[in-house]
Order: sequence, then C-alpha cells, then structure tokens
Amino acid sequence: DMQLTQSPSFLSASVGDAVTITCRASQVINNDLAWYQQKPGKAPKLLIYASSILQSGVPSRFRGSGSVTEFTLTISNVQPEDFATYYCQQVKSNPYNFGPGTKLEIK
Amino acid sequence: EVQLVESGGGVVQPGGSLRLSCAASGFKFDDYSIHWVRQAPGQGPEWLALITWDSSFMDYADSVKGRFTISRDNRKNSLFLQMNSLRADDTAFYFCAKESKYGWQGMIEGLDYWGQGTLVTVSS
Repeated sequence: DMQLTQSPSFLSASVGDAVTITCRASQVINNDLAWYQQKPGKAPKLLIYASSILQSGVPSRFRGSGSVTEFTLTISNVQPEDFATYYCQQVKSNPYNFGPGTKLEIK
Repeated sequence: EVQLVESGGGVVQPGGSLRLSCAASGFKFDDYSIHWVRQAPGQGPEWLALITWDSSFMDYADSVKGRFTISRDNRKNSLFLQMNSLRADDTAFYFCAKESKYGWQGMIEGLDYWGQGTLVTVSS
C-alpha cells in the first residue's frame, strides 16, 4: 500500500505567522492529493483538492502546492481559528489513505 | 444546506454485527459517490469504502473487505454500512462523507461534506 508521511507532527506558531506542512507519498500520485483541517470533536473539513485547488469557502491564506510525491500546505497569516490538526489524503488509488496528521498549536 | 447524519452506532460484542445509516439532504444525492471513513479516538482518519452514485461500483479498504458492505437507497437519500464479524480494532467514530466530484469517472477528488459521526464500540 502507498504510505503518506507528514512533517512536522507538531507545529507551534503565533497568530500572524506563516507555516508550512509537508506531505510525502511513497509512490507517484501526480497531483491526486487533498488536504483537510480537523478540530477536536468535529469531522475533517476539506481545504484543498487536486493538490492546489482551494475548496469553495476556504480562506485564500491556505495554499497547496506540489506534485508527484511531495506536497505542501502553507498557511499564511495564521488566524486563531486555524489551530487544528491537518491531514493530507491521497486520492490516487485504493486505499485512499490519510497521512498521520500535523497538529498546529498556539505558541 | 448539505447535511449528512449518521446513526446506528453503539456497543457490540466481538464477532457481532451492526448496520450504520447515513441520511443525506441538501444536495442531489443520486449525483454523487459517497464514502465511509472511520477514526479511532486519538488517531487519524481511515478511509473504508465508497459507492458510486448508481451503485455500479463499490470499493473497500483491505481492512474491511469481506466483512463490511456499503449500499445506498437513492429513493430515500440514504447510505448504509453493514458491518459483520466486528473486532475490537473496529472501535471508532464512523463518518459518511460526500465525494466532491460529480458523477463517477473512475477517480475521486476529495470528501467535501461529512456527517458528525457515530461511535461504534466493539467490546465484550
């Protein structure tokens, strides 16, 4: 099965900072990657699909990039509501697995 | 407003069965594939299964293949997950989620709406 790794696992930031999360796939997935945000007790929320396309209603401070096997999610000007856990998901092939997550915490 | 509401979770003994339901509203249900995803407490999400808009194709993760069956009733805007031979490691919150891509062209894009989840606990 394809494996996804995310780095870092934990990230501390202050409001107004820019942060970057990396997701690496063990096989080529072209741009078949989605990013989600999850807050405690809530379902994941789709942020980005096809590696870089912003889901409707998601603020433009979220930006996805990358292809082949390496992808990044960048949040510029982090806001208080952005503190959450972020997951990548490969949508190339079964199983459509998620990465282990990156928890963004307030510094 | 798109809504997905799961039900049917509960406590079941190892080896037992449970049937989850997902009631959809706010979108044309029979235009989209729907997925089941689970998440054990403190863990990341795990994709389990998908069913296409017309039930012509179902796909499963190896961890549940042969034990779980996904189905849908487009007349009732409902999705189901029949879970048999349950094990302790099936304990998790179970979510239904709408595929963002219209129709089915043999690939998925992302899960754009999720339910609130229903808890399944497998324990003796």
